[in-house]
Amino acid sequence: DARVTQTPRDKVTEMGQEVTMRCQPILGHNTVFWYRQTMMQGLELLAYFRNRAPLDDSGMPKDRFSAEMPDATLATLKIQPSEPRDSAVYFCASGLALAGGDNEQFFGPGTRLTVL
Amino acid sequence: KQEVTQIPAALSVPEGENLVLNCSFTDSAIYNLQWFRQDPGKGLTSLLLIQSSQREQTSGRLNASLDKSSGRSTLYIAASQPGDSATYLCAGGTSYGKLTFGQGTILTVHP
Repeated sequence: DARVTQTPRDKVTEMGQEVTMRCQPILGHNTVFWYRQTMMQGLELLAYFRNRAPLDDSGMPKDRFSAEMPDATLATLKIQPSEPRDSAVYFCASGLALAGGDNEQFFGPGTRLTVL
Repeated sequence: KQEVTQIPAALSVPEGENLVLNCSFTDSAIYNLQWFRQDPGKGLTSLLLIQSSQREQTSGRLNASLDKSSGRSTLYIAASQPGDSATYLCAGGTSYGKLTFGQGTILTVHP
């Protein structure tokens, strides 16, 4: 049963600390997305990759957030330094984007981040 | 820029009722429209995906329609059950997979 996995599932940290969230996309998928969900803003796209190349990270605060794909099986989202306003659930999703394909996205379970 | 709106924000119905959730989008150059379900504290589960060339998709008691010209999609749930209680999200997609989400409809089906 192919699934997107994310670690950690929950993270509590203090303001100023570095936070790294990891995602393993579904094997064979060529697109990876990072979303943030809050009560106020709903689901927002932070960044996405196609064939490991970053296509758009305009949704991320550039001074503190960074997203990478070291290899096809791992995507990371890093916050340094973290702030209380970063508290949210961070979702990773993957999909197979092919010309004429349906581009369906599959979501991981999320990482619930609390910054004190 | 694509904007997606869902109404109503919340809906409470008795078990067995048929119901319709609405989704509207501003950019008709949509590649696809995807409906998701989210249970409290959980991730998103894909329910139905409609390509821009399609008018509707069906899965079990769920039927989703897409009208690009009017910028609308509906999710029809037949014979609702308490297990259908969740937040339902629609999202408009681009050809390279970028999704823009609505704020969701919180559905409660009471016995």
